[in-house]
Amino acid sequence: GQQVMQIPQYQHVQEGEDFTTYCNSSTTLSNIQWYKQRPGGHPVFLIQLVKSGEVKKQKRLTFQFGEAKKNSSLHITATQTTDVGTYFCAGPFFGNEKLTFGTGTRLTIIP
Amino acid sequence: ETGVTQSPTHLIKTRGQQVTLRCSSQSGHNTVSWYQQALGQGPQFIFQYYREEENGRGNFPPRFSGLQFPNYSSELNVNALELDDSALYLCASSALLSGANVLTFGAGSRLTVL
Repeated sequence: GQQVMQIPQYQHVQEGEDFTTYCNSSTTLSNIQWYKQRPGGHPVFLIQLVKSGEVKKQKRLTFQFGEAKKNSSLHITATQTTDVGTYFCAGPFFGNEKLTFGTGTRLTIIP
Repeated sequence: ETGVTQSPTHLIKTRGQQVTLRCSSQSGHNTVSWYQQALGQGPQFIFQYYREEENGRGNFPPRFSGLQFPNYSSELNVNALELDDSALYLCASSALLSGANVLTFGAGSRLTVL
């Protein structure tokens, strides 16, 4: 079946260190979205990438969509305690508009 | 602009019972999707409604059903509850016609089945 996997499942970093989560789809995605879910909260939209090879930045966050539109990454520079949460990628597979969420990467920060 | 609101926030049911969860979509959004999120897992797509019609369904049995009303609010009904139905149920609205399918989630309804 069509799946979206993320690695790592968990990441513990010292405050100030960088963090990266990788998202891999079993089939081509028409676009990729990233969501953040704080502990006890609900997913909140961060960004959408549509074009092959696209790179977008939001302050300390850098998002990349792979050339084959099957993978993506989120990189956070100099993590802060406010970055704590689970980061999900999500994408609709071509021909199917529903968003399939990845398995998520849970980020914890050591002050 | 109001966001997505869900009710109830928490509820406890026993096996075999039925439950109805409600969702009011964000102003201007005509599409509602429902997701099930088990503890420590990513959201799993249940179904989507557009213009009061089901517009896509995930791998959930028929005892999961829904409705969308003319004001775009929605209900999720689950019959014959099982222990594995315990999860956070998330409603998300989006404006499909705008060309974007970005989801705005509600805070969710946490269902516990005993």
